[in-house]
Parts: sequence; structure tokens; C-alpha cells
Amino acid sequence: NAGVTQTPKFRVLKTGQSMTLLCAQDMNHEYMYWYRQDPGMGLRLIHYSVGEGTTAKGEVPDGYNVSRLKKQNFLLGLESAAPSQTSVYFCASSYLPRGSGGLTDTQYFGPGTRLTVL
Amino acid sequence: RKEVEQDPGPFNVPEGATVAFNCTYSNSASQSFFWYRQDCRKEPKLLMSVYSSGNEDGRFTAQLNRASQYISLLIRDSKLSDSATYLCVVSETGSQGNLIFGKGTKLSVKP
Repeated sequence: NAGVTQTPKFRVLKTGQSMTLLCAQDMNHEYMYWYRQDPGMGLRLIHYSVGEGTTAKGEVPDGYNVSRLKKQNFLLGLESAAPSQTSVYFCASSYLPRGSGGLTDTQYFGPGTRLTVL
Repeated sequence: RKEVEQDPGPFNVPEGATVAFNCTYSNSASQSFFWYRQDCRKEPKLLMSVYSSGNEDGRFTAQLNRASQYISLLIRDSKLSDSATYLCVVSETGSQGNLIFGKGTKLSVKP
């Protein structure tokens, strides 16, 4: 099992350019997530998906779009990159939460994409 | 915004020391609790889940105090390889599986 993989690992963009980050998981997980991590800010949720064909906004969704056309893939798009989107982007996946008590399963993270927007 | 608060450190300790990290969370309805470890320029990885009764995994002990909304992690006999940032993580209410991450506590174990 490769677990969670992300491409690319590094990218430099100019302001206004667009790009797509790809996340793939081979664990048959239902849930997938995109986070950004900035110094002093911790991990913040951008968007997430509870299953194929569904997506939802997280804490910081502005400037990003996502798609989950296949269960194993979760794409994060930047339509018009801005310097404020310079960050490390992590994808994660997990099984469905167990039970009805809001219990949450472990999230498994990809290795990250380091994005710089000039 | 629901919060998870941690002392950012850094905690600089000698090999063999015992070190404790604390974390508080604001949402009293949270159901799941975790400690993740993140090495420099790497992804977060689960260290251990935290259960109400407390749990131990080798040199690591996690405790949860729901009344005080407080989570702790104790590391005994610190090793150089324990040097990392430790993230306190709490689930949101509802069943979407979303997690709220603390900003992390940095640990540096010195020879």
C-alpha cells in the first residue's frame, strides 16, 4: 500500500496562475481532506469530502476549489494563485466515523506539497 | 472558531528525561482525541488516540480530563528520536470526521 500520495511535491507559481494538486489514496477510505499549514497557524481545513461526488467547505475555503470524481482521488484547484496561498498543503484520508456519537477515525496524511506563489 | 490550545515550547530536555505536554480544548461536546507527531518538513502521523480512562503505549502515556477539557501526553525516558512537534487534535461535533489541530508543541531532546 502506498497510503496517501500527493503530486507535485514542490511548485512555484506566479500570481494569477492556476494549478491543481492531486491527492490519491489506496486504502478505500470514504473521507478525504485538504489542509494548509502555515508557520504559527497550525493545520487548517480547506475543503473535505465525505464520499465520491461530494465536497464541502472547511475553515478556509476561499480561493480554492475541489473535486472528488473518483473515490481514491481528491483534487485541489487554485484558479488564480495569490501570494497569501504560499503554504504547505497536506491531503488526508480516513474511514467513516464510527457510531452515532461523533467518534472520529484516524486521519492518514500525504507527504505534502510545498507551494510558493510569487 | 473552536480552539485547541498548546504551549508552543520549545521544550529542550536531555536524553532520559520525562517531559509532559498539556492541551486544552474549547468544545465540551468533542468526542475523539488524539496526539499526532510531526517531524520537521514531514506530514503529521498519529502517535496515539486518547481514551477517557487514559492509555499507555510504551514510554508514552495520554490522559483525558473531560471535566476540565484537558489532555496530556507524558513521555518517559526521552530519546533523541522523540525530537519532533507534538500536535494535540480534537474532533468537531457532528459526524463529519473533521479534526481541529492545535499548533503543536516542539520537543528537542539533547544528548
